[in-house]
Amino acid sequence: GQQLNQSPQSMFIQEGEDVSMNCTSSSIFNTWLWYKQDPGEGPVLLIALYKAGELTSNGRLTAQFGITRKDSFLNISASIPSDVGIYFCAGQLWRDDKIIFGKGTRLHILP
Amino acid sequence: DTGVSQNPRHKITKRGQNVTFRCDPISEHNRLYWYRQTLGQGPEFLTYFQNEAQLEKSRLLSDRFSAERPKGSFSTLEIQRTEQGDSAMYLCASRARQTDETQYFGPGTRLLVL
Repeated sequence: GQQLNQSPQSMFIQEGEDVSMNCTSSSIFNTWLWYKQDPGEGPVLLIALYKAGELTSNGRLTAQFGITRKDSFLNISASIPSDVGIYFCAGQLWRDDKIIFGKGTRLHILP
Repeated sequence: DTGVSQNPRHKITKRGQNVTFRCDPISEHNRLYWYRQTLGQGPEFLTYFQNEAQLEKSRLLSDRFSAERPKGSFSTLEIQRTEQGDSAMYLCASRARQTDETQYFGPGTRLLVL
C-alpha cells in the first residue's frame, strides 16, 4: 500500500526559530494535507494543497505540493510555544478519498 | 459545540470483552470516516460511510470489528472479543460533500485493553 515517509521524526528548537519538515511518498497523491495534533485531541487541518507545484500559506505556515506529486514540505516561521505538537503530512488520491497519514513530526520548543 | 463528538473519550476493558464507541458527526455531513491511531503512529483508515451506506473497509477491519450508521447520522464502531492489540485511539471524522472537502476529526476514543 501507499506509504508516507515523514522527516524529521522529532525536532527540538528555540522559540522564534523557523521550522521545516517534509514528506515523501512511494506513489502519487492528488491532494496533500498537513494536520496538527495536540495531546488527547484529534488532528486539525492546517493546509490543503490540490495542485502540483502549489505553494500555500496560512499565517506563519507555508506548505508546497511537490511537482512530482510525491512530496510536500511544511515550513513554520518564528515559532511560538503553542506550535508544540505533532504535525502529520497526509495524502489523498481523490478529494473524497480516505486520508493516508505519515508517522508525524514531534515539535518541541525549548524554554 | 458543533464539531464532531465521540463517546466515550476513554475506555478500559478486559481482554475478551466487547466494546462499542459512538461518533456524532457535524450536522448534515453525509460522509463519516473511522480511523485508528496507535502510539507513535499516524491515523490509519478503517472504514467510511456515505449516508447509511458503508462504502469501503480497510484490511485492518477484522471480522471482530463492525461499524454501522443506521440512519445516516451517528455511527457506532463495535469491537468484539477485544485483544490487547486493539488498544489505540479510535478517531471519527466527517465531511460535507457539497460545501467543504475537509475531513473534520473528533477528539477520539482512547481504548485500553488489559
